[in-house]
Amino acid sequence: NAGVTQTPKFRVLKTGQSMTLLCAQDMNHEYMYWYRQDPGMGLRLIHYSVGEGTTAKGEVPDGYNVSRLKKQNFLLGLESAAPSQTSVYFCASSALLSGEQFFGPGTRLTVL
Amino acid sequence: SQQGEEDPQALSIQEGENATMNCSYKTSINNLQWYRQNSGRGLVHLILIRSNEREKHSGRLRVTLDTSKKSSSLLITASRAADTASYFCATDATGGETSGSRLTFGEGTQLTVNP
Repeated sequence: NAGVTQTPKFRVLKTGQSMTLLCAQDMNHEYMYWYRQDPGMGLRLIHYSVGEGTTAKGEVPDGYNVSRLKKQNFLLGLESAAPSQTSVYFCASSALLSGEQFFGPGTRLTVL
Repeated sequence: SQQGEEDPQALSIQEGENATMNCSYKTSINNLQWYRQNSGRGLVHLILIRSNEREKHSGRLRVTLDTSKKSSSLLITASRAADTASYFCATDATGGETSGSRLTFGEGTQLTVNP
């Protein structure tokens, strides 16, 4: 079991560029999440999904879009990157009604 | 805004000592969880305590929950240098069909255990 994996691990973008972060889980979990972590601010939820084909906004959704076309994958897109989106992005998944979340290793994104 | 607030923000102790971290939250919850994050890594789940539980143990970890005060504490006994990490509390306040689907994280306590 690989658990939760994230691609890429690091990325540097210029302002205005777009990119997609990929999250994959092999635990057959229903729920998946995207968080961002900034220094001194803990984790903030960007978007989440409670099942294949469904997505919902979290605490800080602006500037991001997501898709969950397959149960095991959750994509996070930045259409026009801004320096304020420089952060470490974590994907997580959890089983239905479980509560416990399993995290990926993170993607460090820098927007210049 | 963050639901959970950890206290202290940073804690430095010697190996063998106990470490206590506190978490306060604002709304009713289904459960409260503690996670650990080593530098540069993802979070790892440590323990979950439900709203109808008052205390839970897992190895060297002891968690208490006081719903009347909306607070929780994490105690790590006989700490080791390898326990050096950031510790986060997270609250689940979701309900209904998607119960357990969302967590709100605090800002964390940075624990340093000196050898």
